[in-house]
Amino acid sequence: NAGVMQNPRHLVRRRGQEARLRCSPMKGHSHVYWYRQLPEEGLKFMVYLQKENIIDESGMPKERFSAEFPKEGPSILRIQQVVRGDSAAYFCASSPRQGRGNSYEQYFGPGTRLTVT
Amino acid sequence: GENVEQHPSTLSVQEGDSAVIKCTYSDSASNYFPWYKQELGKRPQLIIDIRSNVGEKKDQRIAVTLNKTAKHFSLHITETQPEDSAVYFCAASLIGGFKTIFGAGTRLFVKA
Repeated sequence: NAGVMQNPRHLVRRRGQEARLRCSPMKGHSHVYWYRQLPEEGLKFMVYLQKENIIDESGMPKERFSAEFPKEGPSILRIQQVVRGDSAAYFCASSPRQGRGNSYEQYFGPGTRLTVT
Repeated sequence: GENVEQHPSTLSVQEGDSAVIKCTYSDSASNYFPWYKQELGKRPQLIIDIRSNVGEKKDQRIAVTLNKTAKHFSLHITETQPEDSAVYFCAASLIGGFKTIFGAGTRLFVKA
């Protein structure tokens, strides 16, 4: 049973380029969360999605950042015109459909480490 | 907005001693409180969680307590071992989905 998959694991972009981060949730999970982690800091919530719907994007910057979770395929976090301050580890997590069973655990992927040069 | 404060930021204990990490949350509607352990360069992993209808939960050497009135919750690790060394994050959220707010983390060092 594969866990949450993220790719790429490491991504280097020059300032002004676009970064696309992918997240495949665990099988049977329909909820995806994206977090940003700066070095030596905690996890900052960015966005919460269900299939084809953005439920809460209150943690995501209004400009340059977007996220989607299409009916088919992985969830994508897209950062346009990257700047040095975007350098961070981006983790996604998935959870089962809420209300089933007793588990509300979020299972984290290995993260994508974005470096903007 | 919602906020979770976590203390201490760094904790150093001798092997075999206990470690306590404390968190407070601001959103009184929060009803689910997970704790995650993150080793260097790895993903966060859930170690224990507690819901608001429970005051305490224990799993072997790990226990979590919750005081809803004071909006405090704490992680207790007994008989610490070097492999407990990691960063621990508390979090608060609403059951049913919605965003999870994480504390800033506590770096625990267990000295052999």
